[in-house]
Amino acid sequence: IQMTQSPSTLSASVGERVTITCRASEYISGWLAWYQQKPGKAPKLLIYKASSLQSGVPSRFSGSGSGTEFSLTISSLQPDDFATYYCQQYNSYSWTFGQGTKVEIK
Amino acid sequence: EVQLVESGGGPVKPGGSLRLSCAASGFSFSSSNMNWVRQAPGKGLEWVSSISPTSDSIYYADSLRGRFTISRDNAKNTVYLHMDNLRAEDTAVYYCARDPALTTGTWAYYFDYWGQGTLVTVSS
Repeated sequence: IQMTQSPSTLSASVGERVTITCRASEYISGWLAWYQQKPGKAPKLLIYKASSLQSGVPSRFSGSGSGTEFSLTISSLQPDDFATYYCQQYNSYSWTFGQGTKVEIK
Repeated sequence: EVQLVESGGGPVKPGGSLRLSCAASGFSFSSSNMNWVRQAPGKGLEWVSSISPTSDSIYYADSLRGRFTISRDNAKNTVYLHMDNLRAEDTAVYYCARDPALTTGTWAYYFDYWGQGTLVTVSS
């Protein structure tokens, strides 16, 4: 299964609402997670099972979607949120990441 | 505190072999599914392999099966990745990561804790 994220790069200002989309090439049953990665650091889990917020992650992050279309929304972008975001799916003993979305300062 | 510490990376010539280790602490390692994920320089994340607590379930990315072998030693709280016939395209930071499933025999299918990574450079 291929995961396609859009956009690849997103320029936004502090306080803006931003949404990143992840599309699966086939139906996936909700095993969809979102990660944040900053340069030189390991990824950090934000959302699991499409819409469950990981403990300790700010509530401005939310996930939604089902089937083949999923999204990550940041309700009010903060300076600490400028990073690259990846979606990840599981299906039939294989885990796949999207290509990433870089959120830049506008 | 959950900690995952990778080691064993470094330079290696094409065709060579390397074994990576990931030492775990702060959680019940012997009950946890463990995984390896890699990231080539400037590129995205790529899942490599996963192993269940008793090693009875092992999975590999199709493109790597046959060259990479995952294993674990629950007495040492360590998961390994043995890599053979290395190629330039295997150059990457290799992360180990935990699947947070609470019950042995089940999977959560995502990764909640990651190590800091170890860099493997394949070059002549």
